[in-house]
This record gives sequence, structure tokens and C-alpha cells, in this order.
Amino acid sequence: DGGITQSPKYLFRKEGQNVTLSCEQNLNHDAMYWYRQDPGQGLRLIYYSQIVNDFQKGDIAEGYSVSREKKESFPLTVTSAQKNPTAFYLCASSIGGSGGPETQYFGPGTRLLVL
Amino acid sequence: AQSVAQPEDQVNVAEGNPLTVKCTYSVSGNPYLFWYVQYPNRGLQFLLKYITGDNLVKGSYGFEAEFNKSQTSFHLKKPSALVSDSALYFCAVSRLHSGGYQKVTFGTGTKLQVIP
Repeated sequence: DGGITQSPKYLFRKEGQNVTLSCEQNLNHDAMYWYRQDPGQGLRLIYYSQIVNDFQKGDIAEGYSVSREKKESFPLTVTSAQKNPTAFYLCASSIGGSGGPETQYFGPGTRLLVL
Repeated sequence: AQSVAQPEDQVNVAEGNPLTVKCTYSVSGNPYLFWYVQYPNRGLQFLLKYITGDNLVKGSYGFEAEFNKSQTSFHLKKPSALVSDSALYFCAVSRLHSGGYQKVTFGTGTKLQVIP
């Protein structure tokens, strides 16, 4: 069963705590993305990665960090520096490097709540 | 810079009636345009995209979209709405940057409510 999985479905963060959101894909895609979704604001890009061992900041990277050690995995860490982390986080992937517009495939999302 | 506007936060339509969800865009160069749908507490699903060619694009679940270059619009349409079409719809514009990175900008979304 191909696709993108995200875990956990719900995540609770305490003040001053770092938390990590998992994203795994078995689509053999090179490009992966993290978005944050807030009500009425659409999706905003946090980080993206075009290839293994490479990633770039998106529009709202402050307070977040990522790694891309394996092609199929792109975990996102929400650090204590992110003061307003409550949101729905979406991971996506696309084939990458096609030279044209690429359809993005999304995971089911992780909802992060602050205790 | 690139941007997408979805002027309606919510669209209500009776089941069986035609539906339209509006989208306008701004981007330099040729636009690549997408529509995605999101059901509650789920990720986005691809519906259709416009790259070039025919201005009427057909997609999944009976949806289609009309590209209008002069009006910079890409409205989503369906001839006969179903209750199961009720969801959040996102328009997006894409542009390739140097290094091959595809920057995608999403609209704020339009909630479609189909009334039985």
C-alpha cells in the first residue's frame, strides 16, 4: 500500500519541550515538504527537501528543524523556540527533479496541541 | 512573487445543482495551477492541474476547472453537486525556481457545503 504516513495523529507538547513529528513515504519520491495549516490561513511551507541530505527553509522555518538522512523519511522537530506551535502539520512529497510542475501527495497530518 | 486568492470562505449549493469555487492567481511567467480537496482531519488530495493547452481541465470525481488567462482565474466547477463533495478546497499556483525547486503557494481554502 503506497503512500505517505505521518505519526502520531495527535501530539501534545509541554512548555519548553521539543517534539518530533514523523513522516515516511514509500513512493520513491525525491522531494519532500512540511506545511503548517492554521484555520483561515491555508498552508504555509516550513521546510522542503529536494534530495537526501539536503533541505531548505520555507516561509516560516523559525522554531523548526528537519533532517533528511534517508530518502523515505523527513522528520520535523518543533523546538521550544516556536512560541505558537498549535496547528495541523502536513507532510507531502513529489517526484522531484522533473523540471516541471509536480503533483504533491499528502500524508494524513499530525495535530499538535500545547498543554 | 506569486499569490492565490480564493474570495469565498464558504460556498453553499443544493445537491444536484452546479457548483463553482472561485480562484484567481498572480505569478510571473506561465502559471501552473492546481486544485486540491481536504476532508476533515485529513491530508490534501489532488483533483486536477493546468500546465498548458486546453483551457478546460478535467479531473477526479467529475470536477473540472477553467483556466482564463485574461482574468487570471482558475475556477473549479462540477455540473451536479453531491453531498459527499462537501469539503475544503484549495487552489494553488506553482512556479519553478532556480535549482529546480518548485515553489507552491496555496490559497486560504473555500469550504464547500452541499445541502441535501
